[in-house]
Amino acid sequence: GAGVSQTPSNKVTEKGKYVELRCDPISGHTALYWYRQSLGQGPEFLIYFQGTGAADDSGLPNDRFFAVRPEGSVSTLKIQRTERGDSAVYLCASSLMGGELFFGEGSRLTVL
Amino acid sequence: GENVEQHPSTLSVQEGDSAVIKCTYSDSASNYFPWYKQELGKRPQLIIDIRSNVGEKKDQRIAVTLNKTAKHFSLHITETQPEDSAVYFCAAASSGGYNKLIFGAGTRLAVHP
Repeated sequence: GAGVSQTPSNKVTEKGKYVELRCDPISGHTALYWYRQSLGQGPEFLIYFQGTGAADDSGLPNDRFFAVRPEGSVSTLKIQRTERGDSAVYLCASSLMGGELFFGEGSRLTVL
Repeated sequence: GENVEQHPSTLSVQEGDSAVIKCTYSDSASNYFPWYKQELGKRPQLIIDIRSNVGEKKDQRIAVTLNKTAKHFSLHITETQPEDSAVYFCAAASSGGYNKLIFGAGTRLAVHP
């Protein structure tokens, strides 16, 4: 595609619910990253995929967060038992190996 | 792990003046330093980057300098314009063949006509 696409753009959910956020990277980009951006802060690294495998998940805050990329293209970030502190903009980025990161517009998650 | 500090948090300049944003990093193994511009509600977009094998890079009104010894890098914008108003983020990448970017907290730049 022309750019990194993320859906939904906005998600409002209640505390304790399960949420899935989807990222469709630029075609041909082997690397995919998830970041979380809280208001007034820089993006915070969550996880990185090279192909289908999670090469570095050191930024996932706890075991409620999980991400998959089963076919090496689209990725889904999954958050279980959401908490109010999970409210943020979740940014996805993709790149060629060692190249510039291209970001999507993000999914704004609000947990009530 | 890597830690990136960014200053100032806000910067207000008159149109035509220069703006300088400074960052420091902690991991001496970091070798890639991009700068991103983020307008309100939009995605971060790369404006310039530098790798550790050079000390300075320039692209029209934007330049970046890197001091590896001091672990400092800076963004310089000359002849600022109102459309330069945005939040700017510096980042540093841990080495390892991919760009796991660690971002600073951002600088909100306001350029007044």
